[in-house]
Amino acid sequence: DAGITQSPRHKVTETGTPVTLRCHQTENHRYMYWYRQDPGHGLRLIHYSYGVKDTDKGEVSDGYSVSRSKTEDFLLTLESATSSQTSVYFCAISEGASGRRTDETQYFGPGTRLLVL
Amino acid sequence: AQSVTQLDSQVPVFEEAPVELRCNYSSSVSVYLFWYVQYPNQGLQLLLKYLSGSTLVKGINGFEAEFNKSQTSFHLRKPSVHISDTAEYFCAVSEFNTDKLIFGTGTRLQVFP
Repeated sequence: DAGITQSPRHKVTETGTPVTLRCHQTENHRYMYWYRQDPGHGLRLIHYSYGVKDTDKGEVSDGYSVSRSKTEDFLLTLESATSSQTSVYFCAISEGASGRRTDETQYFGPGTRLLVL
Repeated sequence: AQSVTQLDSQVPVFEEAPVELRCNYSSSVSVYLFWYVQYPNQGLQLLLKYLSGSTLVKGINGFEAEFNKSQTSFHLRKPSVHISDTAEYFCAVSEFNTDKLIFGTGTRLQVFP
């Protein structure tokens, strides 16, 4: 199994509070991703990173920010959580060896279940 | 715009029966195609992928998929399923000239004894 951990694994928070989710990898992979999984929507990309301090938006980035200060860590922050951000959040990584990420296998973490009340 | 359609949200099947999970995509350019599986309370893992070459792709756990360019499909098949195949299966597509991987909404395969 790819060495990907996510913390916390479960979190309950209140509307309007900031929340930070952490993804940690031990594979030294270049690309890291944050997805959210919701019933009827599959997985949707929030943000991704292609290197330290290099990030870009996905299709559902509103209300989320990310940071990557080290190769192994990718943080997802909900600046002011809303009930619509209740979801399961998955981190994924890919090697980035080809310089083009879309033909590579992505390896997923175990997920974080977030409930915003 | 690129999109992925998994026509069946749920597929119930008895153990040892064959199964086909359908995936269609819309794209005007060449694509890469993937199937991922998600077991209960876990992250996704790759079953198989098509990048180029033979249109019949074999993956882990006895699964295979066939790329059909004219029908823009990438259906997943297994000739004989096991209880342990109970999971959610996601088809995903990416285009050569974009930086996006688009997932379908998933198909829940339920295998009954």
